[in-house]
Amino acid sequence: DAKTTQPNSMESNEEEPVHLPCNHSTISGTDYIHWYRQLPSQGPEYVIHGLTSNVNNRMASLAIAEDRKSSTLILHRATLRDAAVYYCILRDVTGANSKLTFGKGITLSVRP
Amino acid sequence: GAGVSQSPRYKVAKRGQDVALRCDPISGHVSLFWYQQALGQGPEFLTYFQNEAQLDKSGLPSDRFFAERPEGSVSTLKIQRTQQEDSAVYLCASSLGGTGGHEQFFGPGTRLTVL
Repeated sequence: DAKTTQPNSMESNEEEPVHLPCNHSTISGTDYIHWYRQLPSQGPEYVIHGLTSNVNNRMASLAIAEDRKSSTLILHRATLRDAAVYYCILRDVTGANSKLTFGKGITLSVRP
Repeated sequence: GAGVSQSPRYKVAKRGQDVALRCDPISGHVSLFWYQQALGQGPEFLTYFQNEAQLDKSGLPSDRFFAERPEGSVSTLKIQRTQQEDSAVYLCASSLGGTGGHEQFFGPGTRLTVL
């Protein structure tokens, strides 16, 4: 899977929007952009994924650059429960083995 | 329905002991993955099953690590002659299919400490 680059950490205030960036300059045409997050002492959980168009779900929004070389995960109103490590992952949609290749992720802290 | 469950949640082993870690995936999920997560790091892939077939074991760090899923549901990760460097959280995940579009559902993990 192609590599992604994320900042190490970010801080946010509760009830404010949060924009978590991810760079993936070597993305291929068959790579989906996935986001997972891991709360303390829990296994990772799926957040959202997309291919080319922006995506929205109940948890977050995913904004994908037109050239697909970067994306941004948007949490519209951060809560204390959103404090977690967020991983941006590329997955080949054609691959028979869709293992997740995690990096170090970005650690989001939320101030009350 | 129930999510992915793992047992035990915590395991302490003396160096040299064998351990077995169990994963109960979501019913009907074809694919099952094992990951290893060292402290402060992201999870790293160990092995992948599609039903009972182990299709990829490229991430297993040594021949002391062995995984099986004999009936295509429950899986066991076995570590023989444990070493201190095996101390980590072992995560299991399942998904409906094997391709890149399917979400993986993770269990809470088993924290293994080797003394």
